[in-house]
Amino acid sequence: LAKTTQPISMDSYEGQEVNITCSHNNIATNDYITWYQQFPSQGPRFIIQGYKTKVTNEVASLFIPADRKSSTLSLPRVSLSDTAVYYCLVGDSRGNGGSQGNLIFGKGTKLSVKP
Amino acid sequence: DAGVTQSPTHLIKTRGQQVTLRCSPKSGHDTVSWYQQALGQGPQFIFQYYEEEERQRGNFPDRFSGHQFPNYSSELNVNALLLGDSALYLCASSVTGGNEKLFFGSGTQLSVL
Repeated sequence: LAKTTQPISMDSYEGQEVNITCSHNNIATNDYITWYQQFPSQGPRFIIQGYKTKVTNEVASLFIPADRKSSTLSLPRVSLSDTAVYYCLVGDSRGNGGSQGNLIFGKGTKLSVKP
Repeated sequence: DAGVTQSPTHLIKTRGQQVTLRCSPKSGHDTVSWYQQALGQGPQFIFQYYEEEERQRGNFPDRFSGHQFPNYSSELNVNALLLGDSALYLCASSVTGGNEKLFFGSGTQLSVL
């Protein structure tokens, strides 16, 4: 199973763009990259998922280079409510139900947004 | 449409006791996974249930067991509780054959004294 490496913490100010990079050097061909957000005493919440190139939704963008050995979560114009822990995970692709749930969470990146 | 619901939200037990935690998956989901999250750590995978059987298991001792019912709900049982079992226990549901998107409940905070 592919492991990921992320910064332990990041600080930002309201209104700034935040980019969190994750390294996953041994990502497998079938692996997707998924990011979750977690607030204290709550379960992680799905943010975005991608396989290659760029994915954008109403919350964030995910940039994945051609070699897929890293990915960058981009949060535009963060607010205080974006203060949370962000996890990057890699997991087997859709259709291979055997891998679902066995995703490795690291310690994540603790993002602190200041006024 | 209710999301993933877990009960109870908080629980206090003493060493050596047994505990049962419950989870109802999101509507339409057939797979339930359980995670343990210690303070300051990421969630650690315990096991996953699909079609009422344990399909995958993480590195947890046999004291941790589970069950999935025909309505896809699930239970996590922990026997002979240790102080180190104190953690937030998270249930996540998903659809087998779908993508790797897990929907998590808010968890059960277990304290072992």
